[in-house]
Amino acid sequence: EVQLVESGGGLVQPGRSLRLSCAASGFTFDDYAMHWVRQAPGKGLEWVSGISWNGGTIDYADSVKGRFTISRDNAKNSLYLQMNSLRAEDTALYYCAKDKSGSYTFDYWGQGTLVTVSS
Amino acid sequence: SSELTQDPAVSVALGQTVRITCLGDSLRTYYASWYQQKPGQAPVLVIYGRNNRPSGIPDRFSGSSSGNTASLTITGAQAEDEADYYCNSRDSSGNHVVFGGGTKLTVL
Repeated sequence: EVQLVESGGGLVQPGRSLRLSCAASGFTFDDYAMHWVRQAPGKGLEWVSGISWNGGTIDYADSVKGRFTISRDNAKNSLYLQMNSLRAEDTALYYCAKDKSGSYTFDYWGQGTLVTVSS
Repeated sequence: SSELTQDPAVSVALGQTVRITCLGDSLRTYYASWYQQKPGQAPVLVIYGRNNRPSGIPDRFSGSSSGNTASLTITGAQAEDEADYYCNSRDSSGNHVVFGGGTKLTVL
């Protein structure tokens, strides 16, 4: 059974940093690209960042480029999102999602970790 | 603003057929995927590619595409289909992912 479990969310002040983690199990982690998708309270889904199976290709949404860094540790079956210079508009539930086949189709999602940016 | 446009809300009578659409220039090149999200839950993939359903998704869900429009059709809508539905695809550059704004489906 595929499982994606996010952690690391919480309340943080504007301008500070936070690191999210996603622990994957139930599939061969290093065969698949992975992504972070967020959802602000009461709003729609917004893709944040994606990373290829070996970390060789990385993409970011314009809204987070230069502030967020995605990475992965295939030995630990884990995905990460380092978030710096956080803003109020980064407040959202952050989902980790598995890419089905490099096609930007997300076939499994975690339950999300909530990030609240507020003073 | 999203490069994929969806109607904010659609309603359907129980047992009837409903089509949810997604418009975007990138859909002329790339297929859309469709996700169902119920309150308090993570999204679930329901349709991807030309018209593919993941295991466990009922066959009343189907997908189609024409020009710049992708469609999700529910044939014989059930009460449990009431949810938000999102489309996604690549953007026009092909380098980024975009989601539609979502459609809230009400089953009457």
